[in-house]
Amino acid sequence: NAGVTQTPKFRILKIGQSMTLQCTQDMNHNYMYWYRQDPGMGLKLIYYSVGAGITDKGEVPNGYNVSRSTTEDFPLRLELAAPSQTSVYFCASSYQGNEQFFGPGTRLTVL
Amino acid sequence: RKEVEQDPGPFNVPEGATVAFNCTYSNSASQSFFWYRQDCRKEPKLLMSVYSSGNEDGRFTAQLNRASQYISLLIRDSKLSDSATYLCVVNYSSYKLIFGSGTRLLVRP
Repeated sequence: NAGVTQTPKFRILKIGQSMTLQCTQDMNHNYMYWYRQDPGMGLKLIYYSVGAGITDKGEVPNGYNVSRSTTEDFPLRLELAAPSQTSVYFCASSYQGNEQFFGPGTRLTVL
Repeated sequence: RKEVEQDPGPFNVPEGATVAFNCTYSNSASQSFFWYRQDCRKEPKLLMSVYSSGNEDGRFTAQLNRASQYISLLIRDSKLSDSATYLCVVNYSSYKLIFGSGTRLLVRP
């Protein structure tokens, strides 16, 4: 099992550009999550999903969108990138909503 | 008040030392608790779950005190490889975890 995979590993965006961060898990987990982690800070929940077709906002959803068309994939879309979105983005999944397994992260810089 | 609070550290200890971290949480209805470990520039990984009766895994011991709303992590015989940030995590609902900001541990030779 590959677990949770994320692409790309690194990305530099210009202000106003858009991009999609990909996340895939092969553990057949129902729950999936997107977090951001700013330097020296804890993880903040952006969006989460409890199953295919169901998504909901977390703590910091503004500027982001998600979709969940399959159990395996949970892409995060950034529209109109801003410097405040410079961060490390982690995708995670869990089976019953407890222990979460994380992907390796995407380091995003917006200049 | 933050939902989950941790001392950011760093805790700087020599190899072989015993070190303990505490974490407090604000919601008395919290259902489950975890310690995660995060190495520099890496993803968080589950270290151990924390049960009401306490639990031990090798050199690591986790305790839960529901009355005072805190959990603790004790590391015995510290190794250089224990250097990392330790995240206290609380489950507030059936699917959502709240992460503390982490306590940084540095183990020196």
